[in-house]
Amino acid sequence: EVQLLESGGGLVRPGGSLRLSCAASGFNFDNYPMTWVRQAPGKGLEWVSVIIGSDDRRYADSVRGRFTISRESSKNTLWLQMDSLKADDTAVYYCAKSRSGQMDVDFDSWGQGTLVTVSS
Amino acid sequence: EVVLTQSPATLSLSPGERATLSCRASQSVHIYLAWYQQKPGQAPRLLIYDASNRATGIPARFSGSGSGTDFTLTISSLEPEDFAVYYCQQRYSWPPITFGQGTRLEIK
Repeated sequence: EVQLLESGGGLVRPGGSLRLSCAASGFNFDNYPMTWVRQAPGKGLEWVSVIIGSDDRRYADSVRGRFTISRESSKNTLWLQMDSLKADDTAVYYCAKSRSGQMDVDFDSWGQGTLVTVSS
Repeated sequence: EVVLTQSPATLSLSPGERATLSCRASQSVHIYLAWYQQKPGQAPRLLIYDASNRATGIPARFSGSGSGTDFTLTISSLEPEDFAVYYCQQRYSWPPITFGQGTRLEIK
């Protein structure tokens, strides 16, 4: 059974940093693109970033230059380093597994989400 | 960027009725469109991928159709657990990966 477990969310001041993690199990982690999607309170889903393989990274314009996605195969863990945080980054952050191991970025498994609140 | 527009924003129906949800893309995404269901406090769940393929474990009352710019999610006979928010998502032209704004399916 695929499991994704996010952690690392919390309250942070504007301009601060936070690192989210997503522990994966139940599948061959190395073989799948992994993605972060966020959802602001009461709003819809917004794609944040995807990592394909070990070093092909793509970002939404809203986070490029501030967020960094990475993965560690030995730990089956996905990371999202978030710097220069803004109030608009307040959201539940989900990690999601791609349905297939190709460049097919739709998502068949999701974590439960971790809440990031950016406020002074 | 491909913009996905879902309609209606809210759909009010009764259990047993048929639900038809629409997703329109600002440019062709061929068949590369997925549908998700999200219930309050839960993560999204993949229902349909590549326009018409049901994901693993999804009941047969859920079906998807369409290609190009116009897509439909149909729930043939609503069960109480189907009342939720539904999102479409395209994977043809990215980045960015884009989602529709959602359709809320509520009990009438």
